[in-house]
Amino acid sequence: ETGVTQSPTHLIKTRGQQVTLRCSSQSGHNTVSWYQQALGQGPQFIFQYYREEENGRGNFPPRFSGLQFPNYSSELNVNALELDDSALYLCASSLDRSVNTEAFFGQGTRLTVV
Amino acid sequence: GESVGLHLPTLSVQEGDNSIINCAYSNSASDYFIWYKQESGKGPQFIIDIRSNMDKRQGQRVTVLLNKTVKHLSLQIAATQPGDSAVYFCAEKGSGSGYALNFGKGTSLLVTP
Repeated sequence: ETGVTQSPTHLIKTRGQQVTLRCSSQSGHNTVSWYQQALGQGPQFIFQYYREEENGRGNFPPRFSGLQFPNYSSELNVNALELDDSALYLCASSLDRSVNTEAFFGQGTRLTVV
Repeated sequence: GESVGLHLPTLSVQEGDNSIINCAYSNSASDYFIWYKQESGKGPQFIIDIRSNMDKRQGQRVTVLLNKTVKHLSLQIAATQPGDSAVYFCAEKGSGSGYALNFGKGTSLLVTP
């Protein structure tokens, strides 16, 4: 186990609704990244948070937003859900934000939009 | 944008044989490469990493080779076991926004008895 925990594990939402996913980073890690993994694809980078600030963002629309808290846990919020948002959402924590730092992934949240 | 891709989508090997999974990358500025294993219903699990100043790194039953000249990465698994069956992803850092991991699509490894 990586020590990265995500909740909930599964979630079903209706198109147009909003969702909040949560991630607790590994102890001592100050950097959290979120990824979206569609079925049969590799994870796609959404954004990264370092010490409560957004440190980089991938090619995702503004309706994907996030937060990082003082204890370095993090939330991913998605507004106005679309059917294509159905995916496995992965959180990864790292000791810091440098390039050569291993990222530890949680088990993911499986989001289904109907 | 820059891409990381895998040569083969599926690989089937017999238990006890060695496995080789290949990966091509296109960004010569990539600094750090990681291989992940993902079992069904789970998040990616770190296997081994290699920095751009190295060409080979060994772990327990696994070896990663990096050829920067042709921008190619491979993962070798010795004496493949049924528990090695999973999807394997290569990922790189050093390109893209922030310090994002840029993943390929993955290779499915099936180990048969």
